[in-house]
Amino acid sequence: AQKVTQAQTEISVVEKEDVTLDCVYETRDTTYYLFWYKQPPSGELVFLIRRNSFDEQNEISGRYSWNFQKSTSSFNFTITASQVVDSAVYFCALANDYKLSFGAGTTVTVRA
Amino acid sequence: NAGVTQTPKFQVLKTGQSMTLQCAQDMNHEYMSWYRQDPGMGLRLIHYSVGAGITDQGEVPNGYNVSRSTTEDFPLRLLSAAPSQTSVYFCASSYKGQGNYGYTFGSGTRLTVV
Repeated sequence: AQKVTQAQTEISVVEKEDVTLDCVYETRDTTYYLFWYKQPPSGELVFLIRRNSFDEQNEISGRYSWNFQKSTSSFNFTITASQVVDSAVYFCALANDYKLSFGAGTTVTVRA
Repeated sequence: NAGVTQTPKFQVLKTGQSMTLQCAQDMNHEYMSWYRQDPGMGLRLIHYSVGAGITDQGEVPNGYNVSRSTTEDFPLRLLSAAPSQTSVYFCASSYKGQGNYGYTFGSGTRLTVV
């Protein structure tokens, strides 16, 4: 069985602060995929990033960056210089074959 | 290119009523799945399909039926709605090829059972 844990339920920051979202996963498979999704107040799921288990290279995309560490089974996500538009629920997910397992989500509130 | 289309967007049912949530994709994806989202629990897999004619249960299948007669459609049936099925439902389709993975989600159906 696979499991994704997002220990932070809610994070509140002031605009321009950095915020890091933690994600820890469990799986017995050697091949798997990790995802981050954003769910804004409008409710849709917005794909942010996908990483496969063989690629531990960290990635930066604009104000977003991801730190994948297989040794600690973690796939953390940082928003640099947060903006009010970043307010959303963020989900980490693990895919083995065709089934996605989601974490419970972290609600990020960015105050102006 | 419509992607994944879910209908309806909102629905209110009375306890005991039945209904079908529709999901259609136009990307020729092999895999389709249904998730429900409840507060504080993320999204949980209800049923999934790896191709036409093939379906299987996910984490929370009780009270739901599915079928996959075509590649494009994957409807979710509630046979006798219960208040515990009040949730937001997402349909997703996905492909798997050459080590790559992609999931496309529909916009969701908000279901209330009273």
